[in-house]
Amino acid sequence: EPEVTQTPSHQVTQMGQEVILRCVPISNHLYFYWYRQILGQKVEFLVSFYNNEISEKSEIFDDQFSVERPDGSNFTLKIRSTKLEDSAMYFCASSEFEDSITTYEQYFGPGTRLTVT
Amino acid sequence: RKEVEQDPGPFNVPEGATVAFNCTYSNSASQSFFWYRQDCRKEPKLLMSVYSSGNEDGRFTAQLNRASQYISLLIRDSKLSDSATYLCVVNMEYGNKLVFGAGTILRVKS
Repeated sequence: EPEVTQTPSHQVTQMGQEVILRCVPISNHLYFYWYRQILGQKVEFLVSFYNNEISEKSEIFDDQFSVERPDGSNFTLKIRSTKLEDSAMYFCASSEFEDSITTYEQYFGPGTRLTVT
Repeated sequence: RKEVEQDPGPFNVPEGATVAFNCTYSNSASQSFFWYRQDCRKEPKLLMSVYSSGNEDGRFTAQLNRASQYISLLIRDSKLSDSATYLCVVNMEYGNKLVFGAGTILRVKS
């Protein structure tokens, strides 16, 4: 069964450093997403990406964040200058969009646990 | 008012029990509805989409009441492996963003 994969599974970084989180969405999916979950809190939307551009972003997704699809398979989230409060689990997700039957089912990767010290 | 509201639980039930979870959402323009389950420190896994006519998948039944903005999940014959956090999730309007509830914890005990 196809699945979303993410690397690394755990990233430890110092405050102020840049991190890049990587995702490989399901191959025939067209929409890609990043969510985050701070420990003990609910899952929060960050950004959605379609046709090589951001389609929607939350207020969390400020200028410190960026996304990119550098090739036909990877989807990345970059945090330019990490803060302590960026420590969270970051989930990548993807979904398929069909012309005749719209589906919003999103499938999540296993996550990258980001720890900022 | 929270966008998606759930009873946090925990629900502690014996194996074989039937348990029901409820969820309300605030945006009447919401288009799609889902139940996900999440195990500790793992990703949300799609359990089922929720349709207006209601739908069933084995021991799981989901219902949607658009007029009351209410979604439910019924689990019959609970198994130990059903222990998890159940997330009520709504797709607001025609956007792609999923909005998650905080989750309801289920513990099934032998």
